[in-house]
Amino acid sequence: GDSVTQMEGPVTLSEEAFLTINCTYTATGYPSLFWYVQYPGEGLQLLLKATKADDKGSNKGFEATYRKETTSFHLEKGSVQVSDSAVYFCALPGGSEKLVFGKGTKLTVNP
Amino acid sequence: NAGVMQNPRHLVRRRGQEARLRCSPMKGHSHVYWYRQLPEEGLKFMVYLQKENIIDESGMPKERFSAEFPKEGPSILRIQQVVRGDSAAYFCASSLAGTSGRSTDTQYFGPGTRLTVL
Repeated sequence: GDSVTQMEGPVTLSEEAFLTINCTYTATGYPSLFWYVQYPGEGLQLLLKATKADDKGSNKGFEATYRKETTSFHLEKGSVQVSDSAVYFCALPGGSEKLVFGKGTKLTVNP
Repeated sequence: NAGVMQNPRHLVRRRGQEARLRCSPMKGHSHVYWYRQLPEEGLKFMVYLQKENIIDESGMPKERFSAEFPKEGPSILRIQQVVRGDSAAYFCASSLAGTSGRSTDTQYFGPGTRLTVL
C-alpha cells in the first residue's frame, strides 16, 4: 500500500539554522502530499500541501516541493525559530479518504 | 468558525471500564476520521464516517472498539472494557468533502483526547 518514509529524529538546531526534514513516498500515481505539525500538547495542524508534481507548498517560511523523479517531499526552512519546536509529520492519502502518516520528526530549536 | 472540537481532552479509566470520546466536526463538514497515536509513534487511521454511515473501518480493532456519527450530534468513538494498551492520544479530523480522484480534501484535526488506562 501507499506509504511515507520520514527522516527520524530527534533533530536539534540552533535558532536561525537551516532545516531539512526528509520525506519520501511510495504510491501509485501522483497523490497529494502533506506536511502536518504538532506543537506540544496539541493536535495536528496542516502546515502545507502540494497537489501535483512540481508543485511547491509553502507556509510560515516552510517550503516543500513535490518531486516525482525522486518521490520526495522534503520540508525546508531557511532560518528556524524557537517557536518552530514541534513534531513534523509527512502524509499522503492512503485510499478511501484516510491519511497515511510518517512516524514524525521531533524538532527542537535552542535559542 | 470554530475548529474541530474534542472532549474530554484527558480521560482516565481503570481496566475494564468504558471510554467514550466525542468529536464535533467543523461547521459544514460531513466527513469525520478517527486516528490513534501511540507514544512515540505517528498517527494510525482507525475509521472514516459520514453522517449515519461507517465508510471505512479497516483500522479499527475487531473487538471492543466502535464508532458512530449520528444525524444529530457529535461523532463518538467508544472503547469497551479498556486495557492498558488502549492508552494513547485519539485524534478526530473532519473535512468538507472526500476524495476527488486521488486528491484528498484537507483534513482538519482536533486537539485530541489523551486516554490513560490505569
